[in-house]
Amino acid sequence: DIVMTQSPDSLAVSLGERATINCKSSQNVLNTSNNKNYLAWYQQKPGQPPKLLIYWASTRASGVPDRFSGSGSGTDFTLTISGLQAEDVAVYFCQQYYNSPLFGQGTKLQLK
Amino acid sequence: QVQLVQSESKLEKPGASVKISCKASGYTFTNYILNWVRQVPGQGLEWMGWIDTNTGNPTYVRGFRGRFVFSLDTSVSTAYLQISGLKIEDTAIYYCARIPNNYYYFDHWGQGTLVTVSS
Repeated sequence: DIVMTQSPDSLAVSLGERATINCKSSQNVLNTSNNKNYLAWYQQKPGQPPKLLIYWASTRASGVPDRFSGSGSGTDFTLTISGLQAEDVAVYFCQQYYNSPLFGQGTKLQLK
Repeated sequence: QVQLVQSESKLEKPGASVKISCKASGYTFTNYILNWVRQVPGQGLEWMGWIDTNTGNPTYVRGFRGRFVFSLDTSVSTAYLQISGLKIEDTAIYYCARIPNNYYYFDHWGQGTLVTVSS
């Protein structure tokens, strides 16, 4: 079974600074037939459902601010939030959909 | 706009059954697969499986076979999750979530239904 591991478990970043969250898959999630990485990122605020931010590892979902970006390929992926805003405080999850959907354990992002 | 509206929180006793609804609007219900995702409060997300809204055929992830049943009423664009023989460890938030195509990332989510199992 694929295992998704995020790092760090939590981090604190100052307003306006950059936040970087990593996600590592135990198996490759790049489909070489279509050159797509089957990796998504979600944001979850307290009391709310997850919200899709990024799919195909780097494609922003509709309405997502461009300060959110995704990168990586194969087994190693990164979500970067450039110019952190107060409303970005949340838990962030990665999810692979190369096989049966599986989420990372989550990374809690707080303000420093 | 696409909306998935779920039923309110439930408090049930061990051994009881519960049925959660997920009403869709803003799109053609039968064109998109619906999924169910569980989240124990304060913990991670666990995919439970999906239901083909065109055929009504459900698929369950290992660990959610037997006591969990996905169903539909397409006349009211609603999906249901029924859990029988409730256990304390079933206490969780249950989300319905849509996939936009045949790739399993979830573009719209219901607001979640908290099921609390307590004697």
